[in-house]
Amino acid sequence: GAVVSQHPSWVICKSGTSVKIECRSLDFQATTMFWYRQFPKQSLMLMATSNEGSKATYEQGVEKDKFLINHASLTLSTLTVTSAHPEDSSFYICSAHLTSPGEQYFGPGTRLTVT
Amino acid sequence: QKEVEQNSGPLSVPEGAIASLNCTYSDRGSQSFFWYRQYSGKSPELIMFIYSNGDKEDGRFTAQLNKASQYVSLLIRDSQPSDSATYLCAVNTGGFKTIFGAGTRLFVKA
Repeated sequence: GAVVSQHPSWVICKSGTSVKIECRSLDFQATTMFWYRQFPKQSLMLMATSNEGSKATYEQGVEKDKFLINHASLTLSTLTVTSAHPEDSSFYICSAHLTSPGEQYFGPGTRLTVT
Repeated sequence: QKEVEQNSGPLSVPEGAIASLNCTYSDRGSQSFFWYRQYSGKSPELIMFIYSNGDKEDGRFTAQLNKASQYVSLLIRDSQPSDSATYLCAVNTGGFKTIFGAGTRLFVKA
C-alpha cells in the first residue's frame, strides 16, 4: 500500500506558540490530503481538505486562521497550529487520497501536547 | 444528512471465532466502501475496500456489500487477540468526500 509519513510523531509546546506538522506521501503523488483530529476514545474528526496549489477547505467549526494548511507540492502538506492552547492538545492525523477507488492512506499521526 | 452508522460495541468474541462487523450508510449514491483498523493510540490502516455488490475476500477478511440495503459488513475469520482494535467503516460518496463511521470496538478473548 501507499506510504504516508508525518513529522514530528509527538511534540510538546508552550501555550501561545505555534507548531508545524508535516505530512508527506512517500511513494505516490497526492493532489488531495486530509487533516483529522482525534481526542482520546473519540472518533476521527475531519478538520480540512488540502488541495495541492489551492486553498484548503475547512470543515464547519474549524478556525482557518488557527489551523493553517499549506499544500505546496504533490507530496507535502503542512498543518500549522497557531497560538496553541491546552485545548488544542490532541492526536493529529493526515491522510492522502487516491483517486480510484478513493481510499485514504493515513500517516502515523502526531500527538500534540500544549502546556 | 449523509451518515455512516456503526454499532460502537464493544463486540467481544472468543479466539478462533468469526467476528462480524456491520455498517449502514444513508447516501444511495455512494460509490466505494472501505474498512480501516485502528489500534489504540495509532492511526487507521486500510484493511480492504469493496465497490461491487457481493463478497470480497482477502485472507481472513471478507467484506460484504449490499447496495440495495445500504449495508456493508466485515467478517474476520479465525479471530486472533491481535485483531482487537476499533474498526472504521468509510464510505466514499463521490469525488474526494469520504465519510467515516465512529467505529466498532472489537475484543478477541484468548
